[in-house]
Amino acid sequence: DGGITQSPKYLFRKEGQNVTLSCEQNLNHDAMYWYRQDPGQGLRLIYYSQIVNDFQKGDIAEGYSVSREKKESFPLTVTSAQKNPTAFYLCASSVSRVGANRVHGYEQYFGPGTRLTVT
Amino acid sequence: RKEVEQDPGPFNVPEGATVAFNCTYSNSASQSFFWYRQDCRKEPKLLMSVYSSGNEDGRFTAQLNRASQYISLLIRDSKLSDSATYLCVVNDDSGNTPLVFGKGTRLSVIA
Repeated sequence: DGGITQSPKYLFRKEGQNVTLSCEQNLNHDAMYWYRQDPGQGLRLIYYSQIVNDFQKGDIAEGYSVSREKKESFPLTVTSAQKNPTAFYLCASSVSRVGANRVHGYEQYFGPGTRLTVT
Repeated sequence: RKEVEQDPGPFNVPEGATVAFNCTYSNSASQSFFWYRQDCRKEPKLLMSVYSSGNEDGRFTAQLNRASQYISLLIRDSKLSDSATYLCVVNDDSGNTPLVFGKGTRLSVIA
């Protein structure tokens, strides 16, 4: 049963603590993404990775870090430097355009999300 | 960064009504277009891709107008279960970059 999993569903942390959100996929997708969504707002891209051992900053990377050591996994660390970390965090994956003949973008598939609350 | 604009709504329509959403995009080089659906407090889910010739999936019809740089989604015979936020998504064709998501249009179908 292929899909994307994120854990935990709800996470509570004290201000000043780093926290790592998990994202795993078994869709054999090369590309993975992290977004945050605030109430009533759209998705904002944090980081993305088109291939293992490589990742790029998105629009709001400050205060976050990622790693991509395995194709299946793309964990996101919310550091204490992130000013407003409370949000809904969504991970997604897609087929990658790198090396592909197809010239247009591929649809992304999302995990169920993690709601992070920092107090 | 290229933009995707949507009317945020909410659109409140009675069951059985036909409703249409439009979305405009700024990057004329965009080549891929999608509609996603997001239920309250859930992840976005792909509703349908949008093809140049337009495409239909049951009660849903998507159209692309490249000249005016907009895409549309038409929902016929609205059901209560159609209540959700509909996200317009476009690829930013400046290389191997991710999709660009609109902020969404909220639809409430009322009994």
